[in-house]
Amino acid sequence: EIVMTQSPATLSVSPGERATLSCRASQSVSSDLVWYQQKPGQAPRLLIYGASTRATGIPARFSGSGSGTEFTLTISSLQSEDFAVYYCQQDNDWWTFGQGTKVEIK
Amino acid sequence: QVQLQESGPGLVKPSETLSLTCTVSGGSISGYYWSWIRQPPGKGLEWIGNIYSSGSTNYNPSLKSRVTISVDTSKNQFSLKLSSVTAADTAVYYCARLSRAVALPDYWGQGTLVTVSS
Repeated sequence: EIVMTQSPATLSVSPGERATLSCRASQSVSSDLVWYQQKPGQAPRLLIYGASTRATGIPARFSGSGSGTEFTLTISSLQSEDFAVYYCQQDNDWWTFGQGTKVEIK
Repeated sequence: QVQLQESGPGLVKPSETLSLTCTVSGGSISGYYWSWIRQPPGKGLEWIGNIYSSGSTNYNPSLKSRVTISVDTSKNQFSLKLSSVTAADTAVYYCARLSRAVALPDYWGQGTLVTVSS
């Protein structure tokens, strides 16, 4: 099983600032990396797939990068609606998820 | 607009079988992959398995021995059965539709909490 590790567990950021979230895979997943956003009481929402392609309707302030085992989700200028938990997922060998990074208001 | 709704018992006894159904409205179940994903309270997401409308399935290897996912196209529903449950199976269970373009969830149900307890 491919283990996905996210860091940090919690990220405190002020509105308007940049947020950088990391995700590491225990073995190469090529570019088969997905990012989701989840708000309390809601289902996850697809943000990024193929490591760097934004899903339909996702604002340009969200960007993904990386390949192999190291990946990054960047939110360029945090808006109030972006405070949430973010999960990475690999879909190279079945599906496994990271444990999440909570982005909270500083 | 496609909508998914999970239904089933909210409380299951240890060692029994958890059964959930996902009803799809606003679109056909045919021609798509469908998924079950769960989330223990306060924890991360775990993929359970996928099914195509034809009935072909893929399961999480760690759950495979206990999981059965089936589809009923006449009712526009698909279902999850998880046998021999323990407290570790307590979670919010989500059903989702996979996008034809990227085979990832684009529509989700609201989720249903299933608690395993005697």
